[in-house]
Order: sequence, then C-alpha cells, then structure tokens
Amino acid sequence: DQQVKQNSPSLSVQEGRISILNCDYTNSMFDYFLWYKKYPAEGPTFLISISSIKDKNEDGRFTVFLNKSAKHLSLHIVPSQPGDSAVYFCAARGQAGNQFYFGTGTSLTVIP
Amino acid sequence: DVKVTQSSRYLVKRTGEKVFLECVQDMDHENMFWYRQDPGLGLRLIYFSYDVKMKEKGDIPEGYSVSREKKERFSLILESASTNQTSMYLCASSRRYSWNTEAFFGQGTRLTVV
Repeated sequence: DQQVKQNSPSLSVQEGRISILNCDYTNSMFDYFLWYKKYPAEGPTFLISISSIKDKNEDGRFTVFLNKSAKHLSLHIVPSQPGDSAVYFCAARGQAGNQFYFGTGTSLTVIP
Repeated sequence: DVKVTQSSRYLVKRTGEKVFLECVQDMDHENMFWYRQDPGLGLRLIYFSYDVKMKEKGDIPEGYSVSREKKERFSLILESASTNQTSMYLCASSRRYSWNTEAFFGQGTRLTVV
C-alpha cells in the first residue's frame, strides 16, 4: 500500500507564477520529508527537506510546508521558471531511518 | 562532489539472460538502495542494504537479487530477465540514520528486455 501519495500526475504553470505541488502520507511515524527533482534520463536530485518538528523550510525560490495533523506537505516554487519543468517526487523517511518511501511523482511544466 | 555511479546508462538484454547492474558510491555511506521507476508508479524499492553483506527486501523483490561484498558497491541481479523488467533502474546511497540524511542517486540505467 502506497504510504506516500501524490495525487496530481501533472501540473502546468505560467512562467513567473507560483507552482504548488502536493503530497499526502499515511504513516504518522515518518520524521523527515524530502522533495526530489528528476529530469528525463537522469537520476533524481535532492531539492529541499523538512523535519517533522518544523512546519516550514525555505531555500531560495523553494518552500516546503508540513501540516502534520493533516499528514500533508506541499512544495511551493516562486517564481516558476521554464528550467523547473521536471518530475517532482515527494519522499518520507521512516523513523527507523534506513528507508525512504517515495510518491508517484508530479510532472511540472512551466510555460514560457 | 558526491557521487553515485551506475555502470551503464542504457542496456538491451534478451529474455532469459542473467543481467548485472552495478552501482558504486564514493561517500562511505552505509545504506544503499535499488529502485525502479515506471510511469504512474513512481520509485519502488527493490532491495536495500544497510551494511556489507546485509540486505533487506523492498516492495518488489521478486525476480531480483542483490550483492554487497564491499561497502562502496551494490549490485542488482536479474536472474532471468523478462520483458516486464524493462524499466529505469536507480541506485541510491545514504548515511545511516541521522536527523538530516538524504539519499543520493545515480544517473539511472534504462534497461530494455526484448
């Protein structure tokens, strides 16, 4: 059963606007959450993360929000740029610390 | 610069062949992982290893085995390749549990079984 879910397979946004990617999880024992970005024919690259003791983490144009009561996190990209077009994976780490659980990915297209 | 290197970017193999996918990391990480990525299914864990000679099954281990004889190297073996194993295979590594650890990925191997 999928413990990390990304319910939107794709998203299109105009350049300069905000992109919001969403992720839900079911396991309340997850203690660390990550976003990865993946271009075709390449491996995923780490983008930003958040610990379960925080509700927000910001890094430049990227902000991740965590709502533990709703078991929901989101990635905001402001402003969106064409180079942001990629597949974004949400991931969660189990409290045992050795496994990462990934969502199904959201394909973001930023239209110039 | 940290590196996870997979031995091949593209592979074409015949049904029934034994296939070896190799992965090497230079970060002295304890944990190593093999995932496959398929459209609509995301990244699914095949096997992971938390130490030399140690391995644990992930979500989809059937048809696969792994080998970790050295800390830096983790091999995925397809015992008898089948067409439903055509996929993108991704190797990753991470430190053993610490509060801010992340997984680093290789560039991926696109395997086609014909």
